Amino acid sequence: AQKVTQAQTEISVVEKEDVTLDCVYETRDTTYYLFWYKQPPSGELVFLIRRNSFDEQNEISGRYSWNFQKSTSSFNFTITASQVVDSAVYFCALRRHSNYQLIWGAGTKLIIKP
Amino acid sequence: GAGVSQSPRYKVAKRGQDVALRCDPISGHVSLFWYQQALGQGPEFLTYFQNEAQLDKSGLPSDRFFAERPEGSVSTLKIQRTQQEDSAVYLCASSNSLAGLHNEQFFGPGTRLTVL
Repeated sequence: AQKVTQAQTEISVVEKEDVTLDCVYETRDTTYYLFWYKQPPSGELVFLIRRNSFDEQNEISGRYSWNFQKSTSSFNFTITASQVVDSAVYFCALRRHSNYQLIWGAGTKLIIKP
Repeated sequence: GAGVSQSPRYKVAKRGQDVALRCDPISGHVSLFWYQQALGQGPEFLTYFQNEAQLDKSGLPSDRFFAERPEGSVSTLKIQRTQQEDSAVYLCASSNSLAGLHNEQFFGPGTRLTVL
């Protein structure tokens, strides 16, 4: 069975702090894809990153970085020097190689206080 | 348009009413997906279209739910005889790859449906 767990329901930090959002997944597939999406209050889901199971290199994009570790089935997301505009719900998702259906975590609500 | 658009953004219906939710995907995108998102949860897959063909409707929760995409562009999700448990945000997504396998899905802002 495929499953994505985001254990942190809500995180609140003060602006400029670093924050890490956890994502743990379950799959028996050897080929799969992991995603992070951001859902601001406006409602649309904004694509942040896609990572395939064969690429364990960490990725950095500006203040965002992702740590993919197959050994612990985790794909964590870190925001450095957080800003108020980062406030949103963040979703981690899993997709099997030959299946278009995304399996979503429950999301983590991130609140950045000024 | 530049992105996926959905209308209406908000819909309030009395239990038993029929509703129709519209999705305008990004122009040229062959794949279109509908999701249902309950409060505090991640989206749940409802159905998938490749152009005008509905290839997967396994996620539709009941036969009260019906989706169409007759010309392979705009799609409509219809819910008949709405029930309170249908209250959710309905998200539409499109992708320029078949089944969205090679490219990410772009999401619309959603329609928040409240059934009283």
